[in-house]
Amino acid sequence: SQQGEEDPQALSIQEGENATMNCSYKTSINNLQWYRQNSGRGLVHLILIRSNEREKHSGRLRVTLDTSKKSSSLLITASRAADTASYFCAHDRGSTLGRLYFGRGTQLTVWP
Amino acid sequence: GAVVSQHPSWVICKSGTSVKIECRSLDFQATTMFWYRQFPKQSLMLMATSNEGSKATYEQGVEKDKFLINHASLTLSTLTVTSAHPEDSSFYICSAPRWDSSQETQYFGPGTRLLVL
Repeated sequence: SQQGEEDPQALSIQEGENATMNCSYKTSINNLQWYRQNSGRGLVHLILIRSNEREKHSGRLRVTLDTSKKSSSLLITASRAADTASYFCAHDRGSTLGRLYFGRGTQLTVWP
Repeated sequence: GAVVSQHPSWVICKSGTSVKIECRSLDFQATTMFWYRQFPKQSLMLMATSNEGSKATYEQGVEKDKFLINHASLTLSTLTVTSAHPEDSSFYICSAPRWDSSQETQYFGPGTRLLVL
C-alpha cells in the first residue's frame, strides 16, 4: 500500500482548542509535506519539512519530524471553524523525482 | 490564484466510453506532472508520472493500457480513462512541480470528478 498511517482518522474539537495530527511512514525521505483538502476539492499545500529539520512553524501551524521514529505531527493552534477539512501528510520515499505518497488523512471538524 | 488547472471539473459518462482529462500548468513549464486518484473518504493514490517527451511511468498495479497518459507539451498532460467502468468512478487530481524560493513545491489541480454509469 502507498499509504502511510495517520491518526487520528477523525478529530472533533471546539474553536480555540489545539488540534494535533500524527503521521507515520516506512521509508527514508527527503522531505515530508502536509496538505489540506476541503470536502471534494483540490489540495492546498500547508508546509514542507526537510529530513534534516526537526520542527517548522508557519502561522498557527507547527510541524515536527522525527526521522528515527519515521513520524511527523501537525499542530494547529487556536483552531477556527474554517480549519475544518481533511489533512494529509505526504512523503517522497527518498526520491527526488517529485512523486508523493499520501497518508490516510485526518478529518478535522472544528465546532464554533 | 490557481497555478494548475484541470478540465473538465466533472464528467458523467456511460460504461464503455473513454474520457479524457486535461491538466495544465499556468504560467510555468512542467516537464513532469503527476496523476492521482482519490476514492470517497480515502487518501490520494499516485497513479503515474507524466513525462514530457517520453512515456509515462506507472505505479505498481495501475494498468497503463487502461489509463493512457500523454504529456503533449510543457504545460499540458492528459489522462484518458479508456473503456470506463463504474469502478473507475473517482476523483482524479493532477499535480505539477514549480520552483518557488529555491524550493520545489507540488501544485495540485482542483480535480476532476468522474462518474461512470
